[in-house]
Amino acid sequence: KAGVTQTPRYLIKTRGQQVTLSCSPISGHRSVSWYQQTPGQGLQFLFEYFSETQRNKGNFPGRFSGRQFSNSRSEMNVSTLELGDSALYLCASSLEGTQETQYFGPGTRLLVL
Amino acid sequence: DQQVKQNSPSLSVQEGRISILNCDYTNSMFDYFLWYKKYPAEGPTFLISISSIKDKNEDGRFTVFLNKSAKHLSLHIVPSQPGDSAVYFCAASAHDMRFGAGTRLTVKP
Repeated sequence: KAGVTQTPRYLIKTRGQQVTLSCSPISGHRSVSWYQQTPGQGLQFLFEYFSETQRNKGNFPGRFSGRQFSNSRSEMNVSTLELGDSALYLCASSLEGTQETQYFGPGTRLLVL
Repeated sequence: DQQVKQNSPSLSVQEGRISILNCDYTNSMFDYFLWYKKYPAEGPTFLISISSIKDKNEDGRFTVFLNKSAKHLSLHIVPSQPGDSAVYFCAASAHDMRFGAGTRLTVKP
């Protein structure tokens, strides 16, 4: 089975711009979660999507949003980028939800200048 | 809120010796615990897990111990190998999954 894929792998944006990241889960997985990784902070949970619905949300501002399509692919959008949004954004998929083992993609490294 | 804490940012051990990585949690609702390993430029990969009904789970060189009364989780790697050098994240889940900040393990030849 193909693993979780994320595009693009690297991205450079400037403050105030918006960005869209894409994630394709493992075939058959219906849950997709997004995490932000910054040095010293570990992985911070952004949100989880299941069957095209946001099921859980972490403690991030409304500038961070996402969606999931009928084929379980997911996108994450960050509007009005700030310098502090520079991070590695990881997508993870699982069969049914975040309460079980998740499988991660390689991540998208976003740099905001 | 840091519900899952890894208090040691780094650990260095000699090849062949035991590596012990520690993790503490605060939420007693967590019922499933995992360890992930992460190499640079890659996403975390699942290593081993344990449910709250057990206190030990073993997979080859990797053993995870859970002490529910102390809300403490540990990962033992025996014997440690240079290829084990990576960042290790512990994670705990209830209705969502929370991760620690990670511990960078360096295994010296």
